[in-house]
Amino acid sequence: DTAVSQTPKYLVTQMGNDKSIKCEQNLGHDTMYWYKQDSKKFLKIMFSYNNKELIINETVPNRFSPKSPDKAHLNLHINSLELGDSAVYFCASSPAGFGGTNYGYTFGSGTRLTVV
Amino acid sequence: GENVEQHPSTLSVQEGDSAVIKCTYSDSASNYFPWYKQELGKGPQLIIDIRSNVGEKKDQRIAVTLNKTAKHFSLHITETQPEDSAVYFCAAGLSGGSYIPTFGRGTSLIVHP
Repeated sequence: DTAVSQTPKYLVTQMGNDKSIKCEQNLGHDTMYWYKQDSKKFLKIMFSYNNKELIINETVPNRFSPKSPDKAHLNLHINSLELGDSAVYFCASSPAGFGGTNYGYTFGSGTRLTVV
Repeated sequence: GENVEQHPSTLSVQEGDSAVIKCTYSDSASNYFPWYKQELGKGPQLIIDIRSNVGEKKDQRIAVTLNKTAKHFSLHITETQPEDSAVYFCAAGLSGGSYIPTFGRGTSLIVHP
């Protein structure tokens, strides 16, 4: 199946721990993103990568670090987790990019992070 | 930057009725307006989009209209069914190399059987 896959689906961890969320897309898209969805469903952009290069880095704590080993993967590493980091994190991809004409996103199914 | 307002935040209808969700945007340069449907426990899914050179687009029971002058666009769902129940998000942005849309805050649509 062509899709955006992210793992794990659920992540429960203690404050202060370090954790990673992995994301892979097999759609051949050039651009990948990380979004945070809070309890009120608001979708906030965190990072955007185009062909492994960081394009957008919104105001997020530097405890969050994205890593893109190739254009099909964009992982999110979070250091020293805090209670306020609890949210659902979505990876997405889009053919948007230089010369592209289709900008619709394909989202992964989300990772529900709970920090206790 | 772009600012997108979405209304209503909650919409409750009876099966078979029509539902309309409205969004306004602030940046007249925005030219791409997608709509996403998020079912419980899933990621948002693109259901329809419209570009600024088009005033209306239809796909079966869903349609989107765009008024560039007034800077607002709307999602119309006809003959609603219980499986239409979900959170719907509008978005607006300028297509290009660093395309990042601004999302509305979502509308929870509940269709009662």
